[in-house]
Amino acid sequence: KAGVTQTPRYLIKTRGQQVTLSCSPISGHRSVSWYQQTPGQGLQFLFEYFSETQRNKGNFPGRFSGRQFSNSRSEMNVSTLELGDSALYLCASSLAGVAGNEQFFGPGTRLTVL
Amino acid sequence: AQSVTQLDSQVPVFEEAPVELRCNYSSSVSVYLFWYVQYPNQGLQLLLKYLSGSTLVESINGFEAEFNKSQTSFHLRKPSVHISDTAEYFCAVLEGGAGNMLTFGGGTRLMVKP
Repeated sequence: KAGVTQTPRYLIKTRGQQVTLSCSPISGHRSVSWYQQTPGQGLQFLFEYFSETQRNKGNFPGRFSGRQFSNSRSEMNVSTLELGDSALYLCASSLAGVAGNEQFFGPGTRLTVL
Repeated sequence: AQSVTQLDSQVPVFEEAPVELRCNYSSSVSVYLFWYVQYPNQGLQLLLKYLSGSTLVESINGFEAEFNKSQTSFHLRKPSVHISDTAEYFCAVLEGGAGNMLTFGGGTRLMVKP
């Protein structure tokens, strides 16, 4: 079974631009979560989607948004990029969104904002 | 809101020595507990988890962790480490009813020396 895939793996943008990151979950998984990892703030939860609905949202500004498609693939978008948005963005999928179901993480997209 | 504290940011240890990575959490509700491992330039891999039942949980590669409710701890141990265990380890908490919103500790970098 293929794992969680994220595209692109690396991205360089400049301040003020916007970016869209993509995540393809493991086949059959309906829950997709996004996390931001930075050296200063560590791993922080962004949002979770389950059956195309946002179920949970972390404490991030409205510039961060996401969506999930009917095939469970998910995208996250960051508008008006800031230097502080430079981070590794990780996507995780799980089977049915039930607490305790293992979350499988993708390799991440490393975003650099110049 | 829950929080997770990993008391040591770095733990250097010689090969074949025992190691303990400490994790404490705070939460007012029932929780599920996880340890994840991250190798360089990779995503997170689940090492082990506590959902309910026996407070001692084990992984297939020799790690174990014990849930201690009275001390709100979930320390990770291995009796004999290998060079290949060098990685960053993250403790995470999931509150019951919170979907898949994991709260992570700051991480502990385990450095195994020959």
